[in-house]
Amino acid sequence: DTEVTQTPKHLVMGMTNKKSLKCEQHMGHRAMYWYKQKAKKPPELMFVYSYEKLSINESVPSRFSPECPNSSLLNLHLHALQPEDSALYLCASSQEFRTGATRSGNTIYFGEGSWLTVV
Amino acid sequence: AQSVTQPDIHITVSEGASLELRCNYSYGATPYLFWYVQSPGQGLQLLLKYFSGDTLVQGIKGFEAEFKRSQSSFNLRKPSVHWSDAAEYFCAVGPYLSNFGNEKLTFGTGTRLTIIP
Repeated sequence: DTEVTQTPKHLVMGMTNKKSLKCEQHMGHRAMYWYKQKAKKPPELMFVYSYEKLSINESVPSRFSPECPNSSLLNLHLHALQPEDSALYLCASSQEFRTGATRSGNTIYFGEGSWLTVV
Repeated sequence: AQSVTQPDIHITVSEGASLELRCNYSYGATPYLFWYVQSPGQGLQLLLKYFSGDTLVQGIKGFEAEFKRSQSSFNLRKPSVHWSDAAEYFCAVGPYLSNFGNEKLTFGTGTRLTIIP
């Protein structure tokens, strides 16, 4: 079972709102990811959590705040977003996220995504 | 730095016809290669992957891909497409790690597949 579950599927929020996107996986994976995808573009990496610690932040604005409460859950807290932040937000997971001189072969599994519209 | 090129932005194929989607990569060592499919309004689904061994890999939904090191290619093929194959297809490469590297995927820009009856 390679399932990553994301909620909500659709979210409309105003620029002054605070909302959260949620992601859950039960595959025993220890790495979880947030990607942002604009229409007709490939996904862009935002954050990587490895063993519940933030491993990568791709210079994402602070109005996006990730949280990893445990190894199965990943949240993305949203505050004071801009209309240009409207996009599909994809959560993903993999067994591990490695750095250094280690040959890998990690497979990343994606969720269905959360469509975010900022008005 | 690694990169992935999908030269075809949009391909139209008749239902029942064969399909080949092109993917070329640039990387200094043997990469790990993936094909993902994204149906309209959906997330990404893994079609197949190549890590090592047999250079012809089989995936889900009747897809296969062949790794050709000499051409730096990993083209996706299907002998007979179905209307449900209409989607966006992304090729991606993962790194052989170095002391200064990490395990980030690099995606191509995608190929949109349209199926005509």
